[in-house]
This record gives sequence, C-alpha cells and structure tokens, in this order.
Amino acid sequence: IAGITQAPTSQILAAGRRMTLRCTQDMRHNAMYWYRQDLGLGLRLIHYSNTAGTTGKGEVPDGYSVSRANTDDFPLTLASAVPSQTSVYFCASSLENRAGHNEQFFGPGTRLTVL
Amino acid sequence: AQSVSQHNHHVILSEAASLELGCNYSYGGTVNLFWYVQYPGQHLQLLLKYFSGDPLVKGIKGFEAEFIKSKFSFNLRKPSVQWSDTAEYFCAVIPIKAAGNKLTFGGGTRVLVKP
Repeated sequence: IAGITQAPTSQILAAGRRMTLRCTQDMRHNAMYWYRQDLGLGLRLIHYSNTAGTTGKGEVPDGYSVSRANTDDFPLTLASAVPSQTSVYFCASSLENRAGHNEQFFGPGTRLTVL
Repeated sequence: AQSVSQHNHHVILSEAASLELGCNYSYGGTVNLFWYVQYPGQHLQLLLKYFSGDPLVKGIKGFEAEFIKSKFSFNLRKPSVQWSDTAEYFCAVIPIKAAGNKLTFGGGTRVLVKP
C-alpha cells in the first residue's frame, strides 16, 4: 500500500445498525484523524489520535468512537447509525513534531448513507 | 477556538481567466496555513502550505497564495485557469505549538471552469 486506504468505498446502512469504517496508513505517521465532509460545511473533525494508544474528541464526536491499537490503523465506529450521519468520511494522517508542521494526508473517503 | 472563512461558495469562470479565492481566519497566534484541492470524486490533495518565511507561497499547478498577517488572510491565486482546475478548494489553518488544537477547515469554494 502507499498512503492511506479506507474501506468500504461506500455503504448504505439502515438506521440503528452498527458500522465500522476502516482506515490504514503505511507512512508511519504518529497522528491520525477522522473528518466528515458535508456540503457547505467543509471538513469537520470527529476524532483524532496523536499517537498509538491515545485518542481525542474533535468538533463533532457525538455518535462516533475510535480506537488506536497500533500506529497504522484507526477505525471509526458508529454504534447506532442515524440519518444525520449520512456523509462522506475522510481519514487523514500526519507526522506531528515539535516544530508544529502538520501537513495532513488524506484517504480516498467512504461515502455513507444512513436510511 | 479558531475559525476559517472562505468568502465565495461558488465561482464560475472561463478558461484563461484569473482566479482569486479569499480565506480569512480568526486566531491571534502563529499559525500554519494550507490550501487543499478536491477534484471531482477524489480525495483532498495539498496545493500549497505556509509555515514561515516568504509570505508569497508557490504551490503545484501554477497556484500561489499570499499570507498577510495583518489581515489574517491567506488568499489563493492563479493567473490563468484551465478546465482541469474545476474542483473544490479548501483553506485550512492550525495554530502551532498549541496543545489540543487541530486543523480547522473553511467551508470550501467550488470552482467551475468553463472550456
């Protein structure tokens, strides 16, 4: 793999169902992020992880959870999906350092529709 | 918390026209600034970035941006657009050396270049 992969590419989901979006990076970046993209709102941060074993809440964390068991993987789980979670989800990663250089690299996205 | 404003939601122009997209942010400290581009059906890609030094930054595909600290602005420009520049453009800002702060995106500007 080169960069960031996400799975699935798209998914239609019934409300109330549980869903996990997968994200894997092979760049050995320490930080990873999940965003949702909605028309006119740009990208909004859901959760992030500065390093394996740690996670933090972003701007819109409600209804989502994440884990970071290792450097490469950062899955996003919707415990009980609702229609307002219909969106395009992007995973990103960056190499955080003390200089504060935080260029983020993005995956191809997952288009999720909750009915 | 910081915020990022992109003044135009939609821009339509003809090939060879000049493009300027506005971006303003609200944060009083030192920041890193980015412009990302999202071509139709694709993920976000970095166009250019500003960390320090010359406030006029040159990126890929003939794009440039100027950081004006006194105006809290980071406007994107291209002297002569091509049909292939049709895309959505996102400005993003992150305060450096501020714990817990993450990349904040503007709402995006959709650019349509007519052939």
